Amino acid sequence: NAGVTQTPKFQVLKTGQSMTLQCAQDMNHEYMSWYRQDPGMGLRLIHYSVGAGITDQGEVPNGYNVSRSTTEDFPLRLLSAAPSQTSVYFCASSYEAGWPTEAFFGQGTRLTVV
Amino acid sequence: AQKVTQAQTEISVVEKEDVTLDCVYETRDTTYYLFWYKQPPSGELVFLIRRNSFDEQNEISGRYSWNFQKSTSSFNFTITASQVVDSAVYFCALNLGGCNDYKLSFGAGTTVTVRA
Repeated sequence: NAGVTQTPKFQVLKTGQSMTLQCAQDMNHEYMSWYRQDPGMGLRLIHYSVGAGITDQGEVPNGYNVSRSTTEDFPLRLLSAAPSQTSVYFCASSYEAGWPTEAFFGQGTRLTVV
Repeated sequence: AQKVTQAQTEISVVEKEDVTLDCVYETRDTTYYLFWYKQPPSGELVFLIRRNSFDEQNEISGRYSWNFQKSTSSFNFTITASQVVDSAVYFCALNLGGCNDYKLSFGAGTTVTVRA
């Protein structure tokens, strides 16, 4: 089982560039989320999805777009990269059980915007 | 709004010492779920435990134990007889469940360093 797979693992962008962080899960989980991790701030929710075709904003959505055309994939798009988006990004998935279940996280993508 | 506070930024201990990580949460909901995750130096996040607000029973799993006290809104985590492999960042997180089932609110994390 691959679990949650994120690509790339590392990326350097110039200010103003756009890119897509990929996230795929093979566990047929309904819920998928994107978090960013910054020093001293824990993880903060960017966007989430409760199923294919359904997405919504989290705590820090500005500058990011998401879509969910399939259950497996949940890409995160940076529209115009800014130095403030330098962070480690984690994708997570969890399954529906009527109560919150454990989140499975990808390995993370370390993004640097210069 | 919910909030999770981990007041300890860093803890350093010598191997075999016990270490307790504090977690204080805030929520107005009566139903909620608390989690602990571990992030070793390799970077991935690993689930350790989930506890719901209706179950205040403490739990022990090997060298790990958790003390949940609703009266003080705390969900503390103790590592007994620490080992070098316990060196990691530990996160406490809160989930309200219901329509927020997807949303984890994380504390800032506590970095634990276990020295040989």
